[in-house]
Amino acid sequence: DGGITQSPKYLFRKEGQNVTLSCEQNLNHDAMYWYRQDPGQGLRLIYYSQIVNDFQKGDIAEGYSVSREKKESFPLTVTSAQKNPTAFYLCASSMGLNTDTQYFGPGTRLTVL
Amino acid sequence: AQSVAQPEDQVNVAEGNPLTVKCTYSVSGNPYLFWYVQYPNRGLQFLLKYITGDNLVKGSYGFEAEFNKSQTSFHLKKPSALVSDSALYFCAVRDMRAPAFYSGNTGKLIFGQGTTLQVKP
Repeated sequence: DGGITQSPKYLFRKEGQNVTLSCEQNLNHDAMYWYRQDPGQGLRLIYYSQIVNDFQKGDIAEGYSVSREKKESFPLTVTSAQKNPTAFYLCASSMGLNTDTQYFGPGTRLTVL
Repeated sequence: AQSVAQPEDQVNVAEGNPLTVKCTYSVSGNPYLFWYVQYPNRGLQFLLKYITGDNLVKGSYGFEAEFNKSQTSFHLKKPSALVSDSALYFCAVRDMRAPAFYSGNTGKLIFGQGTTLQVKP
């Protein structure tokens, strides 16, 4: 899991509530990513950020929002508009965009009650 | 469109035997290929990658992978499996013909659905 931390490890949410997942890295990486993992579906990209104060939608951005105010932080908010938010959420970072390897945090498991 | 296929949901192998986890890909340009491993309730750990050069890539924990351009495959291998190798393995590809983020193409990683490796004593 290297220098990427995610908190909390487990998160429970009631329907209709927004929740924010934390992701911090001390690797001095420029690019950061959020993925969602569901059983048997691999990883799907939610949002990514190439540099501070910039981010772009991935494949499944609806119902999610992000910010990138600091290089080391890329929090993800799961809003009440996300219809099926129960999943395992993974944050990753990489030095840049081209050949660089993405390194992953330990993940946050979100359960909607 | 880019895609990755891992044709086996699960691979079973006895400890000490060689193991292979299969991956095939489809990209328009030159592929950058990655293997990751995931233990239960943990993040993904990087194992190895192919960018260019030698078709046989060596990675962490004794794993290696062979890039075969004609068969569009990047199978993960290990000569002698350990019980501790039991985990979920993901293959991923990036199309390097894809331009950088700001041109509108993310150059993102596309992941396969994963293969569960079970090594029995």
